[in-house]
Amino acid sequence: AQSVSQHNHHVILSEAASLELGCNYSYGGTVNLFWYVQYPGQHLQLLLKYFSGDPLVKGIKGFEAEFIKSKFSFNLRKPSVQWSDTAEYFCAVNGDGGYQKVTFGTGTKLQVIP
Amino acid sequence: ETGVTQSPTHLIKTRGQQVTLRCSSQSGHNTVSWYQQALGQGPQFIFQYYREEENGRGNFPPRFSGLQFPNYSSELNVNALELDDSALYLCASSTQGQGSVLTFGAGSRLTVL
Repeated sequence: AQSVSQHNHHVILSEAASLELGCNYSYGGTVNLFWYVQYPGQHLQLLLKYFSGDPLVKGIKGFEAEFIKSKFSFNLRKPSVQWSDTAEYFCAVNGDGGYQKVTFGTGTKLQVIP
Repeated sequence: ETGVTQSPTHLIKTRGQQVTLRCSSQSGHNTVSWYQQALGQGPQFIFQYYREEENGRGNFPPRFSGLQFPNYSSELNVNALELDDSALYLCASSTQGQGSVLTFGAGSRLTVL
């Protein structure tokens, strides 16, 4: 069975600080990896995804994530956060199970202080 | 393109009652997945529908059931409601295949008293 672990439940940063949110997954086969974001009052939306190829993927709003297969990790990064990045971030994995069961982590709430 | 729409947005039920939640998928999508998001948790996979049949199920009891219609819209039915069923229920549509991505609706907030 696939599972996802997010290390940080609540992160508080000042504007312009760098961000790294940890994500580890557990699955023995080929995986697709995602980061979703939920801004206050809005629905879940895709931030970035990894299916294959270059392990460093870039998403919207300056976010990027690196897939490290040997570490089963897919950490999210942003060099300089803005107040508008305040949101909840979910890491998710979809194994090659024949149908699209996407397993989500418990989420990390990011609060950016102006 | 139209996004995923869910109804109702909020509802309150009492224990033992039944509830039906509805979802219209994004145009061009033929697959619908339902998730339960309890407070402070990530979304938990309930089941997925493709070609009007259940195409995969998470660890939820049979009192959670669903339907998909020819226009790809879907319903989630929950019978014999329990207090722990209080949650945000999310619908996501997609296409089939490993390269597809879930597009989520805003959710239906269910409170069971």
